[in-house]
Amino acid sequence: EPEVTQTPSHQVTQMGQEVILRCVPISNHLYFYWYRQILGQKVEFLVSFYNNEISEKSEIFDDQFSVERPDGSNFTLKIRSTKLEDSAMYFCASRISRGANTEAFFGQGTRLTVV
Amino acid sequence: DQQVKQNSPSLSVQEGRISILNCDYTNSMFDYFLWYKKYPAEGPTFLISISSIKDKNEDGRFTVFLNKSAKHLSLHIVPSQPGDSAVYFCAASGSNQFYFGTGTSLTVIP
Repeated sequence: EPEVTQTPSHQVTQMGQEVILRCVPISNHLYFYWYRQILGQKVEFLVSFYNNEISEKSEIFDDQFSVERPDGSNFTLKIRSTKLEDSAMYFCASRISRGANTEAFFGQGTRLTVV
Repeated sequence: DQQVKQNSPSLSVQEGRISILNCDYTNSMFDYFLWYKKYPAEGPTFLISISSIKDKNEDGRFTVFLNKSAKHLSLHIVPSQPGDSAVYFCAASGSNQFYFGTGTSLTVIP
C-alpha cells in the first residue's frame, strides 16, 4: 500500500541551526502539506503546496520556514534558524486532489528536538 | 481561533460497548469531515470521512454522523475493542487545508 515516508524519524539540533525535514509523498498525489504537533497540543497546519508553489500557509509559517520540491519526489521543510519552541512532531501529508471526499495521508512524523 | 473542537480530552469504554466521540465546528463553509486515529509517535491514520451532503457514513464498526444545523459530528465505534485505544482527531476541510480538533484519547478496557 502506498504511503508517505518521512526522514529522519528523530532530529536533535542546536538552537539557531538549520534543519531540513524530508518527505516522500505518495507518487500520484498533487497536494502536499506540513503540519506540526507540539507535545500535548493540537495538530497545527503549517503550509500547503501545489504545482510547485505554496498555496496556503499559516501564521506559524514565517520567514524562518521554507518548503521545496527539489526533484519531483521529495518534499522538504526547512527551518533556517531553529528556536526552542520549534520542538514538535512534524507531519507531512499528501492528497491526490483537493476535491471533495479526498483524504490526506500522513507520514509517521519527524520528532524535532531543539536544544 | 479554534474552528474544530473536541471537548472531551479522554473517554474510557468497556470492551464490546459503544464508543461515541464528539466534535463541533464553527465554520459553515466546511464541506468535508474526517476522523483520524493516532498512536503515540506515529502519524495520524485516516479512519473514515463524510461529505456535507450526507448525514451518515458507515464503514464496518465505524459510523460517522453529521448534523449540519448543529455543526456537530460524532464517531461511533461498536463494538469497541482494546485495539481501538488511541487518540482520535476529527478534521474539517473547506478548501485546501484540514483543521484539526485537539483530539480525544480513547481507552477501551478489556
